[in-house]
Amino acid sequence: QKEVEQNSGPLSVPEGAIASLNCTYSDRVSQSFFWYRQYSGKSPELIMSIYSNGDKEDGRFTAQLNKASQYVSLLIRDSQPSDSATYLCAVGTNRDDKIIFGKGTRLHILP
Amino acid sequence: DVKVTQSSRYLVKRTGEKVFLECVQDMDHENMFWYRQDPGLGLRLIYFSYDVKMKEKGDIPEGYSVSREKKERFSLILESASTNQTSMYLCASSFPTGSPSTDTQYFGPGTRLTVL
Repeated sequence: QKEVEQNSGPLSVPEGAIASLNCTYSDRVSQSFFWYRQYSGKSPELIMSIYSNGDKEDGRFTAQLNKASQYVSLLIRDSQPSDSATYLCAVGTNRDDKIIFGKGTRLHILP
Repeated sequence: DVKVTQSSRYLVKRTGEKVFLECVQDMDHENMFWYRQDPGLGLRLIYFSYDVKMKEKGDIPEGYSVSREKKERFSLILESASTNQTSMYLCASSFPTGSPSTDTQYFGPGTRLTVL
């Protein structure tokens, strides 16, 4: 069973600081990586996707991918209370054509 | 913008009832998915479909069936609801770009189903 692992948290970060969310995956041939944000009682919404090694930036968000270490992270700069949510990491592999979701990390931004 | 809608936000049913959950997407997506989400268990795939009339079992299909008669609509059916099917049900869709494992999935608002 291919797995996607995330620390469940909660991760508490002061407002204005950088929040760092981490995700590891077990299938070495994984090729696509997604970060979703899910507010309590709501559905997941896509923040960004990344397919190549390195960094990808979108506003305050940066996704970092290291395929050799089987590790993907999400950095949130200048954290705001509105960033408080659960962040889901999702990994896709064409080995079985599926996307597998991690269980999520709860992030709490302290005002 | 992609829009995925689900027929109900909240639903309360009794044990043994037949339950229909409807999902509609308006972006001509070919791929559609049904998940359930439970605390501590994350998102679990129930069924998926890559085309009209096509369906495939996910990781936890027992107790569920699906129907896809039209491209935009994917229905989840609980033939005889049980209390262990109380959960948040999420529908998602994606546009095929080559491999379903690389296609971004867009989620509907979810249906919180309670089975008494």
